[in-house]
Amino acid sequence: DGGITQSPKYLFRKEGQNVTLSCEQNLNHDAMYWYRQDPGQGLRLIYYSQIVNDFQKGDIAEGYSVSREKKESFPLTVTSAQKNPTAFYLCASSMGNRRYGYTFGSGTRLTVV
Amino acid sequence: RKEVEQDPGPFNVPEGATVAFNCTYSNSASQSFFWYRQDCRKEPKLLMSVYSSGNEDGRFTAQLNRASQYISLLIRDSKLSDSATYLCVVGPYNAGNMLTFGGGTRLMVKP
Repeated sequence: DGGITQSPKYLFRKEGQNVTLSCEQNLNHDAMYWYRQDPGQGLRLIYYSQIVNDFQKGDIAEGYSVSREKKESFPLTVTSAQKNPTAFYLCASSMGNRRYGYTFGSGTRLTVV
Repeated sequence: RKEVEQDPGPFNVPEGATVAFNCTYSNSASQSFFWYRQDCRKEPKLLMSVYSSGNEDGRFTAQLNRASQYISLLIRDSKLSDSATYLCVVGPYNAGNMLTFGGGTRLMVKP
């Protein structure tokens, strides 16, 4: 079955450490997105990519980095520059057509220890 | 003003009740509209798209009012399993498929 897979489900990061969250989709979607969600809050856009080898900053890109070397993959790195990284991270993909919504992965819950 | 605004709730209703949520959007050029459902600590899932003429899916009815720039979601005969946060989502006419998410309305259905 087609879908979007995020791993790991839970991730613990030490202070000053970089960590990478994986996002893979087999839906043949062109566009991919990363969101952050804090408890009781809405979704905030970190980065998005409409096509391979191209990506743009969202509303809260500071302290994060991404790459889009393959259509299927859009990994997110949370760097040590991100001072408050504890959150629920959601990856999504879409066909890039406004008629369709996004498909989300099941998320990665990141905690700083 | 936020691009997409929702009453955060919570809306506490008894089983079997009818409940309605509204959502307002600021960009009059918006062309795509959706309702998503998000369960606690889970990812959002598409509940239904919202079409200009309104549309229904079982107990759920979505309406669009372009003149007043709001969309609504009506849930009839509420079930305990309807308890979740409902996200209003709006998309532009151009700029690819960038969607804007509202903050969500929390619904709690009580026995």
